[in-house]
Formats: sequence, C-alpha cells, structure tokens
Amino acid sequence: DGGITQSPKYLFRKEGQNVTLSCEQNLNHDAMYWYRQDPGQGLRLIYYSQIVNDFQKGDIAEGYSVSREKKESFPLTVTSAQKNPTAFYLCASSTPSRNTEAFFGQGTRLTVV
Amino acid sequence: RKEVEQDPGPFNVPEGATVAFNCTYSNSASQSFFWYRQDCRKEPKLLMSVYSSGNEDGRFTAQLNRASQYISLLIRDSKLSDSATYLCVVRYSGAGSYQLTFGKGTKLSVIP
Repeated sequence: DGGITQSPKYLFRKEGQNVTLSCEQNLNHDAMYWYRQDPGQGLRLIYYSQIVNDFQKGDIAEGYSVSREKKESFPLTVTSAQKNPTAFYLCASSTPSRNTEAFFGQGTRLTVV
Repeated sequence: RKEVEQDPGPFNVPEGATVAFNCTYSNSASQSFFWYRQDCRKEPKLLMSVYSSGNEDGRFTAQLNRASQYISLLIRDSKLSDSATYLCVVRYSGAGSYQLTFGKGTKLSVIP
C-alpha cells in the first residue's frame, strides 16, 4: 500500500540534544513538507521541498534542519537551537499539480524532558 | 503575507443540526482549496476539495467565492462522528512552488 510513514510516533529528548524525525513516502510525490502543531493551534510550516536536493524555509525554520537526498525521504532534525521543541510534528507529501491534496503521516509527538 | 483565517469556534451543535464554517484567504494567487478534518491527536485527512462551481459530497457542501476570497463548508444533519477540527487549506503558486497554507481550524462538537 502506498503511503507516508513517520517514525517514531513518540520521542523524548533531553535539553541540548539534537534529534532526527524520519519521514518516508512511497507515493512517488515530488513535494514534501514538515509542519509543527502546538496544542489548540493550527499547522505551521517548518520546511518544504519541491524536488530532490532542494528545500526551502517555511515560516518557523529557526532551530530546524532538513535534507532531501532521496525523493522518498525528508528527515527533519530538531537542533538544540530550537528553544521550545515540544510539539506534534507532521510530515506531508504531494504532487506539484495544482489541484492535488497533501497526504500526511501519522505524526511524531516530541517531548523535551 | 499569505494567511488563511477561520472561525475559531468551538461550535457545539445538537445531532441533526446544520452547521457552517467560513474561511477567508489573503493571497489572490491562491490556486486550489481544500477542507481537511483532524481528529484529536491524529493527522489531518482530506475531507473534500473545493471547486469553483461549488461541490457536494453527501451531507457536506463546499463553496468558493474567488471575488471575496472566501470558502465555506456546510454540514447537514450533523452526526456525533462529525466531531473534529476542520481545517481550511489553501494552495498557492508562486515562483514555481505550490505551498499549502493551513487555517488554525474550527472545532466542532456534536452533542447527543
């Protein structure tokens, strides 16, 4: 079955540590996105990538980094520079066609302990 | 700035009621429009796309007014299972990219 997979589902991080969230899709989508969602809030765009080896900052990129070495993979690293990383992180993918929707992974819930 | 604004809610309605959500967007270059549904602590899932002529899917009707930059979602005969947060999503093109911008969502609670 085609889909988008995020792992892990839950992640605990100590302050000062970098952590990497995985996102893999087998939908053959060119575009991939990372969003952050805080309780009771909407989705805010962290980074997006339209094509392999290229990515763009979203609205809240500070303290995060990404790579796009393969079409199917778009990992997100939450660095120690991110001051308030506890949140629900959602990865999505889509084709670049105008009227197609985005498909989401099940999300990773990151907690700083 | 590219923004999508929604009624904040929450909307608390009895079963069987009709409820309408509104959404406005600021970027006139916006190309396509969607309503997503998000259940508590889950990922958003597509409810329906919104077409220029308006479209219906069972109890759900979506409408788009490009002149006013306004989108709506109407839910008829509300069910308990409709309780969720509804996200308005706008996709715009600019400089070859197709970004998705999400509203903050409107929470719906359908009460027995």
